[in-house]
Amino acid sequence: DAKTTQPPSMDCAEGRAANLPCNHSTISGNEYVYWYRQIHSQGPQYIIHGLKNNETNEMASLIITEDRKSSTLILPHATLRDTAVYYCIVLNQAGTALIFGKGTTLSVSS
Amino acid sequence: DAGVIQSPRHEVTEMGQEVTLRCKPISGHNSLFWYRQTMMRGLELLIYFNNNVPIDDSGMPEDRFSAKMPNASFSTLKIQPSEPRDSAVYFCASSLRGMSNQPQHFGDGTRLSIL
Repeated sequence: DAKTTQPPSMDCAEGRAANLPCNHSTISGNEYVYWYRQIHSQGPQYIIHGLKNNETNEMASLIITEDRKSSTLILPHATLRDTAVYYCIVLNQAGTALIFGKGTTLSVSS
Repeated sequence: DAGVIQSPRHEVTEMGQEVTLRCKPISGHNSLFWYRQTMMRGLELLIYFNNNVPIDDSGMPEDRFSAKMPNASFSTLKIQPSEPRDSAVYFCASSLRGMSNQPQHFGDGTRLSIL
């Protein structure tokens, strides 16, 4: 599975959009991009995933570049409860293990 | 809907004792994963099952660790004998393999402390 690169930390003001980048320049054509987050002491929480089209759900939006070498997770109106470590992961099919990197620690402040 | 259920939530025991962690996956899911999280190593896979069959146990640290999945609704992770370096948070996750890349859903974890 392709490796990903994320900034170690980001800050965001409450109510503003949080844009979390991820580079996955070696991604293969059949690999999906997944985003999870982990709030302190809880289990990782699935946020969203996509293959090549942009995706949106009730939690976030996922923007994938046309060449698929990078993506951005967007939390449109960040709240204090969005403070967490966000992981960008690529893998080629369900039923295989997730490989977690260090992720991005997002700090949302009022 | 019930999510992945893990028990116990916390376990404190002395070195050398047997520890058994339990997991009930989401009903209908056919893949089950055990992960371990420590400050030093982050989140790492220990073992995973598809349709109750172990597929990849390369992450299991050593012979002291064993995992079973006797049926589709239950799995255990056993450590015998336990050591202080086994102290970590252990997560169980489940997913539906082969269905449009369904995501994994995690339990709340078991926080294990070996004294």
